[in-house]
Amino acid sequence: QVQLQESGPGLVKPSQTLSLTCTVSGGSISSGDYYWSWIRQPPGKGLEWIGYIYYSGSTYYNPSLKSRVTISVDTSKNQFSLKLSSVTAADTAVYYCARDEINGVSYWGQGTLVTVSS
Amino acid sequence: EIVLTQSPATLSLSPGERATLSCRASQSVSSYLAWYQQKPGQAPRLLIYDASNRATGIPARFSGSGSGTDFTLTISSLEPEDFAVYYCQQRSNWPTITFGQGTRLEIK
Repeated sequence: QVQLQESGPGLVKPSQTLSLTCTVSGGSISSGDYYWSWIRQPPGKGLEWIGYIYYSGSTYYNPSLKSRVTISVDTSKNQFSLKLSSVTAADTAVYYCARDEINGVSYWGQGTLVTVSS
Repeated sequence: EIVLTQSPATLSLSPGERATLSCRASQSVSSYLAWYQQKPGQAPRLLIYDASNRATGIPARFSGSGSGTDFTLTISSLEPEDFAVYYCQQRSNWPTITFGQGTRLEIK
């Protein structure tokens, strides 16, 4: 059974960079069948796709966040990571890492709340 | 960008009733539409993919229909555990995807 677990600071100061890591267990991140994604959800609001990475390192980002987002992968650790720069209070959200197949997002992490505040 | 509009925003029904949730796309997404269920404090769960295919382990009371710009998620007879928020997601220009704003299904 594939499991994903987010980790990283729960509090980030405005203008700084948010950094999260997702550790995948029960399956290899190097499998060519999946894209590894980040999705966020502001408190009480809907879902927003942030971006994906393929195991080869190819990335796809939400155009609205593209200038501030970097997603990277470390296949040796079976992990992928998110960096979001120049954060503001609007970036406060639960951040999910997930495994995306061509049909849908089939596996999700439990989510981690990141609050942007001084 | 393809915009998905879900209606109604909130649906109040009783257990045993039939629920019909709508998702409309700003342009055709063919059949590349998925539905997710999210309960409080939990990650979303994939229910339906490619507009009408149930994901693994999803009960038969959940069904999806539609193509092009208009889609429907139907729950034939509501169980207590079905009261949650439901999101549609378009995948027609995958890997770029977008979600609808959600429909909250609440107990009447």
